[in-house]
Amino acid sequence: AQSVTQLDSHVSVSEGTPVLLRCNYSSSYSPSLFWYVQHPNKGLQLLLKYTSAATLVKGINGFEAEFKKSETSFHLTKPSAHMSDAAEYFCVVSSYSSASKIIFGSGTRLSIRP
Amino acid sequence: DGGITQSPKYLFRKEGQNVTLSCEQNLNHDAMYWYRQDPGQGLRLIYYSQIVNDFQKGDIAEGYSVSREKKESFPLTVTSAQKNPTAFYLCASSSGQGASYEQYFGPGTRLTVT
Repeated sequence: AQSVTQLDSHVSVSEGTPVLLRCNYSSSYSPSLFWYVQHPNKGLQLLLKYTSAATLVKGINGFEAEFKKSETSFHLTKPSAHMSDAAEYFCVVSSYSSASKIIFGSGTRLSIRP
Repeated sequence: DGGITQSPKYLFRKEGQNVTLSCEQNLNHDAMYWYRQDPGQGLRLIYYSQIVNDFQKGDIAEGYSVSREKKESFPLTVTSAQKNPTAFYLCASSSGQGASYEQYFGPGTRLTVT
């Protein structure tokens, strides 16, 4: 069975400070993991993905995530938040078996304080 | 420009009416997906198609129907049997069927049924 848990429904940080969005997963298979971003009333855009290569994955807009198998985590980080980072972020886990095994987390809303 | 288009952006219908949401892609992707998004929740899979003239039910297919007559097009019909159809609907596509393929999303259609 697969599942994904985003540990915070809302995170608020000041502009210029680090961002940490937490994601834990469970999977019976070696998973692929993704982070997507969604701005209000828009579709989702891929930030980065992990597919069993390097455990530290760099994405767009300065985001990165580290796959930690021992902790079953795939947290998203950014060293310095920008106002344009305010959005909803989704952690996604998928297994090899089928399209129906793509599981979306419930999302974390990131707010940026000026 | 390559991408996925969904139309219309906003759609209003009366209860008891069927409504069809359009999804078109020019990415030459084989796989296409329909998701439903409700406030505070992640995306839930309605239907997916891995090849023309074939599609499978996702987790919440009841009250919905799809067709895949062309590679580029994957329309979703919300029928009167869907008990709570008001939601944000997202269409996506991917170039492959395995777990490691990221999805490309359209801008979404917000359906309101009164």
